Amino acid sequence: QKEVEQDPGPLSVPEGAIVSLNCTYSNSAFQYFMWYRQYSRKGPELLMYTYSSGNKEDGRFTAQVDKSSKYISLFIRDSQPSDSATYLCASGGYSGGGADGLTFGKGTHLIIQP
Amino acid sequence: GAGVSQTPSNKVTEKGKYVELRCDPISGHTALYWYRQSLGQGPEFLIYFQGTGAADDSGLPNDRFFAVRPEGSVSTLKIQRTERGDSAVYLCASSLLAGYDTQYFGPGTRLTVL
Repeated sequence: QKEVEQDPGPLSVPEGAIVSLNCTYSNSAFQYFMWYRQYSRKGPELLMYTYSSGNKEDGRFTAQVDKSSKYISLFIRDSQPSDSATYLCASGGYSGGGADGLTFGKGTHLIIQP
Repeated sequence: GAGVSQTPSNKVTEKGKYVELRCDPISGHTALYWYRQSLGQGPEFLIYFQGTGAADDSGLPNDRFFAVRPEGSVSTLKIQRTERGDSAVYLCASSLLAGYDTQYFGPGTRLTVL
């Protein structure tokens, strides 16, 4: 079992819809959680970063973490065709001797239909 | 400002050859990470530098892979005796500090081993 599980999709929704993207993780040592967006043939771009359970909002994006169930979500409101990309969830921990590299899910390929 | 840059953007080599991939982090960033992303997968952690030293190389798949960061800035990932299974996009990321700090990714080097 991978430490971070994510449905690869593709997920296709009409423009203007609310999009819900989800991940689960298994490692209780993970302390911080991120969502990255990756366009084809580009590097990942950070969208949201959170340390704790609860919601964090930034514009049209809301990240939600539930540490008790090890569940991570990203919601996109008023979705636009330009939001079409692969969305990667990532988790990391800090273990005494230094930072850990991030553990990523497979990524969900999102398509927003005009 | 300048982001993380990686050269070359594409590298095609033959099985058994040696390759070097270069990463220029954001100026002033002390932490540098290498990841490998295979088709349809999320990035997979390889190695992390804090300054000049490799703080965590637990993700390197075998002893054909080696990375250096001699002056605490530019890093080179070196792969000896390349195999077809090494074909992937190699991503570099940097962060201002280690630990919880945001990792900024470069565009990657697409390595193809024939």
